[in-house]
Amino acid sequence: SQQGEEDPQALSIQEGENATMNCSYKTSINNLQWYRQNSGRGLVHLILIRSNEREKHSGRLRVTLDTSKKSSSLLITASRAADTASYFCATDAPGANSKLTFGKGITLSVRP
Amino acid sequence: DTEVTQTPKHLVMGMTNKKSLKCEQHMGHRAMYWYKQKAKKPPELMFVYSYEKLSINESVPSRFSPECPNSSLLNLHLHALQPEDSALYLCASSQGRLLAGVAKNIQYFGAGTRLSVL
Repeated sequence: SQQGEEDPQALSIQEGENATMNCSYKTSINNLQWYRQNSGRGLVHLILIRSNEREKHSGRLRVTLDTSKKSSSLLITASRAADTASYFCATDAPGANSKLTFGKGITLSVRP
Repeated sequence: DTEVTQTPKHLVMGMTNKKSLKCEQHMGHRAMYWYKQKAKKPPELMFVYSYEKLSINESVPSRFSPECPNSSLLNLHLHALQPEDSALYLCASSQGRLLAGVAKNIQYFGAGTRLSVL
């Protein structure tokens, strides 16, 4: 079953605007991660938030986690054209034996 | 060095060919992964090697055969593939589940091999 479900599926914004992407999941987790993928390339880890954390920042990234709602959001502030990519949330569940479950992904387009 | 190197970058093969994909990392990671990714879809896990032993096989057809010769190398042997196997094949590594801390769960990906099966 699909653990992570992001919304929206696609997002188009103007450079300088903020982009907010949401992810929902179904089971309990150890942590939740966000990855970025540029077209046809590998995924790049952006940020990890533990199940006992509510908010975390890294540069222009802010991630929140609400375990009661089984949801997370990724905020990219002051977006740049270089942020154009697909973004995936990934969950690490207890007993999953190193396995991450990826959401369907969000395609972000930042217009210059 | 946080690099995972995959070769080749592109591969075109016929349905009767045998080929191999290679993946290498020198981060001392003890878990390595193969994923298959179709266009506009998330990566689908195929195999996980943990401490050089196959720990997860996600019911992958036997025409895909993984091999982990040592802790730095991961191969994926391909034989008698079908056109629907055409995809981006991604290799990743992570520190390994026996280590402490959440960083062990962060995966580092290679750039992938774009495979076309004719």
